[in-house]
Amino acid sequence: GAVVSQHPSRVICKSGTSVKIECRSLDFQATTMFWYRQFPKQSLMLMATSNEGSKATYEQGVEKDKFLINHASLTLSTLTVTSAHPEDSSFYICSARLGNENTIYFGEGSWLTVV
Amino acid sequence: TQLLEQSPQFLSIQEGENLTVYCNSSSVFSSLQWYRQEPGEGPVLLVTVVTGGEVKKLKRLTFQFGDARKDSSLHITAAQPGDTGLYLCAGLNNAGNMLTFGGGTRLMVKP
Repeated sequence: GAVVSQHPSRVICKSGTSVKIECRSLDFQATTMFWYRQFPKQSLMLMATSNEGSKATYEQGVEKDKFLINHASLTLSTLTVTSAHPEDSSFYICSARLGNENTIYFGEGSWLTVV
Repeated sequence: TQLLEQSPQFLSIQEGENLTVYCNSSSVFSSLQWYRQEPGEGPVLLVTVVTGGEVKKLKRLTFQFGDARKDSSLHITAAQPGDTGLYLCAGLNNAGNMLTFGGGTRLMVKP
């Protein structure tokens, strides 16, 4: 099946710094990628939807200046958490839609810890 | 805003029992996917259902998409401890640009 890869899988950063998480579709072109945040024992919360070559669409309550999303190519989307704070610590997951098909594939997730 | 209500939230059963997880919405989805997630990992796709009334089987798992494409169910027969995990349903809208998740069902199967 289609593979979506996230990097890094775990990252620790200091409060006030920025950290970038990459999401790559390894064997297909993803016109649409989604970024989610997941708190322990909860379901996924959609943060934003990004389409290649255009600005991301953010969900209500998600600060676009804090969570910068760039979908520069059909195989890569990045999420940059700027001026990170401890409350930004979470599990971040990306997913990608295979072309115009109905199936969405998920990355392995990235654990962010802000100290 | 499309919402998916998933039930039950938690389920603890004995090995060998059967169970059903439900996802319901007032919205129509172009497709509905079921995922299973282990702690600290991303969701892994189990199945995608597209056609209203569609039934798909994956070994002991049976997935059904409602006729109106607003609801879905996952039935597990003779559950095993290896089935333990978080099960998530997610509906894709007609435009294909939004995947809405249910709240998840945390299943524990005791040996």
